[in-house]
Parts: sequence; structure tokens; C-alpha cells
Amino acid sequence: GEDVEQSLFLSVREGDSSVINCTYTDSSSTYLYWYKQEPGAGLQLLTYIFSNMDMKQDQRLTVLLNKKDKHLSLRIADTQTGDSAIYFCAARGRAGTALIFGKGTTLSVSS
Amino acid sequence: DAMVIQNPRYQVTQFGKPVTLSCSQTLNHNVMYWYQQKSSQAPKLLFHYYDKDFNNEADTPDNFQSRRPNTSFCFLDIRSPGLGDAAMYLCATSPGGSGYTFGSGTRLTVV
Repeated sequence: GEDVEQSLFLSVREGDSSVINCTYTDSSSTYLYWYKQEPGAGLQLLTYIFSNMDMKQDQRLTVLLNKKDKHLSLRIADTQTGDSAIYFCAARGRAGTALIFGKGTTLSVSS
Repeated sequence: DAMVIQNPRYQVTQFGKPVTLSCSQTLNHNVMYWYQQKSSQAPKLLFHYYDKDFNNEADTPDNFQSRRPNTSFCFLDIRSPGLGDAAMYLCATSPGGSGYTFGSGTRLTVV
């Protein structure tokens, strides 16, 4: 089945750009997602990209998709302390419509 | 306006005492999912309903069951909670395509 991998931690300074990386295994994944989770809270959809796109930009967020390498990245421009959270990459699995999640990347932003 | 509502937000139950978690949606989505998220881990799919069709993940323990009496509501029943079942339980809905909406989650503590 689908497997989604992410690096576990990223630490940046306020105002810098953050880049969170993700790899997935199922080349037939049609949609790929980024979710944000703050402590004790549910999952907030940040953005998603369809597999026929290479890039999607939404304000401070840029998603890059390399379908050949099955690599997805999320870039946050001008990172703020409020961006500190866990970021999950997710792919729609082959077997059904459910999302398969990576383990999450903890982003720590220092001022 | 919350569109996927989970109740309660926090639930404390005794070891071995049956507990039910609730999820309701105002989106009229066909598909409803239950995920279990343990501390510092990825959300793990337990099961989902596509309309009335129940789909259980192969590794979901028998201790976990679900009911969907109508489109709007879905329940997660844990028959005999153990200490290892303490987690955040996330409900999500989807129209069967690309969009997923998550509730805020119920944090279950087993004492």
C-alpha cells in the first residue's frame, strides 16, 4: 500500500523560508495534501495539489511536486512564530479514498 | 461554522468500560472516516463508511466498531478500552473525491 515519509523536525528563524519535504510510494496517487496541526487540535487543510500539476502557490505557501521522483515539498515564505506546528503530508491511497499520512514534521520557529 | 463536529472534545473512560465517540457533519458527504492518532504519530485510518458500506482496515482491532445510522452521524465504539487506546480520535468526511474535512478530534484518556 501507500507509504508516506517525512523528515521529523525543522527549525528556522522568523522571517526565513521553511521547506518541508515528503516522499510517497504510490505513483497512482492523484491528490497530495498538506495539513497543519497545532498542539491539541485537529487537522487543518493548508493546501493540496493534483498530480498533473508541478507547482501550486497560495499566498505564502508554495507546493512543488516531482512526480517522477514521487517527491512533494511545502515552502512557507516569511515564516512566522504562528507557523510553529506539526505539518503532515498525505496522499490518497490506491485501495480506496482514504488519506494516508506521513509521521509529520515539527516546525519550530524562533524569533 | 463547524462542519464536522466531534463530541466530546475530551473523554475520560475507565479501563475496560465501553465508550462511544460521536461525529456529525453538515456537509452531506458520502464518506466518513475514523482515524486514531497517538502522540507524535501519524493519523492511522481505522475504518470508513462509503454511504452505508462499512470498510474496515485489516489491522484495526476487533475492540473498535463503528455505526453510521444516517448520513450525518457516525459513531466510534470502543468495547473494552485499554491503556493503549488512549489517543486523539479524528473524524473526517469526504464527498468521495478530493476534498476532506476533519473535525477537531476527541482526546481519549483511559484511566
